[in-house]
Amino acid sequence: AQSVTQLGSHVSVSEGALVLLRCNYSSSVPPYLFWYVQYPNQGLQLLLKYTSAATLVKGINGFEAEFKKSETSFHLTKPSAHMSDAAEYFCAVRTAPDIIQGAQKLVFGQGTRLTINP
Amino acid sequence: KAGVTQTPRYLIKTRGQQVTLSCSPISGHRSVSWYQQTPGQGLQFLFEYFSETQRNKGNFPGRFSGRQFSNSRSEMNVSTLELGDSALYLCASSLDGRGPSSGANVLTFGAGSRLTVL
Repeated sequence: AQSVTQLGSHVSVSEGALVLLRCNYSSSVPPYLFWYVQYPNQGLQLLLKYTSAATLVKGINGFEAEFKKSETSFHLTKPSAHMSDAAEYFCAVRTAPDIIQGAQKLVFGQGTRLTINP
Repeated sequence: KAGVTQTPRYLIKTRGQQVTLSCSPISGHRSVSWYQQTPGQGLQFLFEYFSETQRNKGNFPGRFSGRQFSNSRSEMNVSTLELGDSALYLCASSLDGRGPSSGANVLTFGAGSRLTVL
């Protein structure tokens, strides 16, 4: 079964430092990949998505992610962390079988909680 | 454009009771999915509805059910509540799931319904 692995359930960085959140997927066929962010007591908000166009994807709030097929990775980065980036981040995949079916299901990683130190 | 609306936002039930949660999707979105979010299991797919039909179902017991109405609004029901059903239940809507480009469709999430079972 397709899965998504997020390395590190908690990541802590200083304000102004680089943010790197790791995501690896398992698939022989590149799926569609998404990053979502969840702030406390809220639903999930889309940051960016990869849909087999450009491998470097830019999203909202200064985040970007690079799809690397050889590494089956889709890591999320931001050059300079801001206090408002503190939240939980989820990597998600829409699998090839679901894409073929037209199903809108996503498989999520376990999430990474990002803490920003002043 | 109004977002995905979930009601109620918070509710407390006791074991053995049943609960119904409601989701109004974004206007024009015909696919509605439900997810359960818990600290231990993360985000797990419950089911997806499209055109009043359940198109996909996750690995949950039959106590979890749902339906979709002709206006795309959806409800999910949990019967005979157990303590382990305490969770944030998230609804998401997206565009038509058919066609080759549907894999890139974004899920837009509501703020969730937080259920506590005592």
